[in-house]
Amino acid sequence: DGGITQSPKYLFRKEGQNVTLSCEQNLNHDAMYWYRQDPGQGLRLIYYSQIVNDFQKGDIAEGYSVSREKKESFPLTVTSAQKNPTAFYLCASRGQGGRNTEAFFGQGTRLTVV
Amino acid sequence: LAKTTQPISMDSYEGQEVNITCSHNNIATNDYITWYQQFPSQGPRFIIQGYKTKVTNEVASLFIPADRKSSTLSLPRVSLSDTAVYYCPRGGSSGNTPLVFGKGTRLSVIA
Repeated sequence: DGGITQSPKYLFRKEGQNVTLSCEQNLNHDAMYWYRQDPGQGLRLIYYSQIVNDFQKGDIAEGYSVSREKKESFPLTVTSAQKNPTAFYLCASRGQGGRNTEAFFGQGTRLTVV
Repeated sequence: LAKTTQPISMDSYEGQEVNITCSHNNIATNDYITWYQQFPSQGPRFIIQGYKTKVTNEVASLFIPADRKSSTLSLPRVSLSDTAVYYCPRGGSSGNTPLVFGKGTRLSVIA
């Protein structure tokens, strides 16, 4: 089955700790994205990557970091510098070029700071 | 660039047709218009895309006027399972630009 997988589904973090959220896709997509969603709100763009070994900041990148060492993987690290990390995190991927505009989303990771 | 603009919420009875309009005032020439549906605690799901005029699939229809500054998602004969948030993000020109989402339209279908 082709798709995009996020893990874990639920994650608890103590204050002051870094934590890494996993995102893997087997759709052969070049572009990958991380979004944050707070209750009752829309999706806000954290980071995105259009190609391996390259990524750009989105609207709310402070306190987050990413890497893109492989085409299939785009992990997100929530650092201790992120002051309010409790949220629902969504990863997405999309093809490049032409009419290939459909984005595929993972099922999300719900992060809670305890 | 400004995000797209949609109504915050809408209510409908089962069996009615629902039309949700989105404003795309700053749409880029090569952007497709796309709509997504999101259920609670799930990732958004692609519904439909279009560039001009009308597009129809098994789920919905999409109407886009000639100036492309707006679009209307039409859901025929909604059911309770259509209760969700609907988004029309900016940036639908493939992976070269990221999709930028607003707050979406929360559709509540009532029995």
